[in-house]
Amino acid sequence: ILNVEQSPQSLHVQEGDSTNFTCSFPSSNFYALHWYRWETAKSPEALFVMTLNGDEKKKGRISATLNTKEGYSYLYIKGSQPEDSATYLCAFTAGNMLTFGGGTRLMVKP
Amino acid sequence: DAGVIQSPRHEVTEMGQEVTLRCKPISGHDYLFWYRQTMMRGLELLIYFNNNVPIDDSGMPEDRFSAKMPNASFSTLKIQPSEPRDSAVYFCASSLVVDHEQFFGPGTRLTVL
Repeated sequence: ILNVEQSPQSLHVQEGDSTNFTCSFPSSNFYALHWYRWETAKSPEALFVMTLNGDEKKKGRISATLNTKEGYSYLYIKGSQPEDSATYLCAFTAGNMLTFGGGTRLMVKP
Repeated sequence: DAGVIQSPRHEVTEMGQEVTLRCKPISGHDYLFWYRQTMMRGLELLIYFNNNVPIDDSGMPEDRFSAKMPNASFSTLKIQPSEPRDSAVYFCASSLVVDHEQFFGPGTRLTVL
């Protein structure tokens, strides 16, 4: 069983705040790190897939970084909006194993 | 493409009954994944297929669960007999390769009474 941990579990911010959260994963046998955005009552939606140490990806106000040597990825949201409220999941693939973290539940107050 | 299609969207059944969930992946995707989402355990990978062949079924909880992929455009997840603790949302997802982004279906909400 691969241990993928996300922190914090939940986060409340005000509209306009910038925020970030962490995904920690085993640093051995790394293949890829995925980030998904999951709104309540909908399906998870892919944000990023990162494979190389030092990767940085950006989509609008959301960006992510990857450090495979130390086993962590950060997801950043700049200027949070109420529509950013969702659970953000990371998933780690190593060999044939795919494991999701528990998610960070973000709530953005207007 | 219509995306990943799952049916039914909702299923309510009684304990002991057989339940079959269905999934049609995105055309051309070689990987198909079945997940279960519960409040207690979050999103769990149950099994995944590559080119219709099961690769890793270590997440399947018990022998009551079975999954098949008879062809590239169809997969089933069967629970027989069903139990109340099987109540969950079951998602199917597909991807081009295992370490590419996955596209999720809308899920099947299963309630076993």
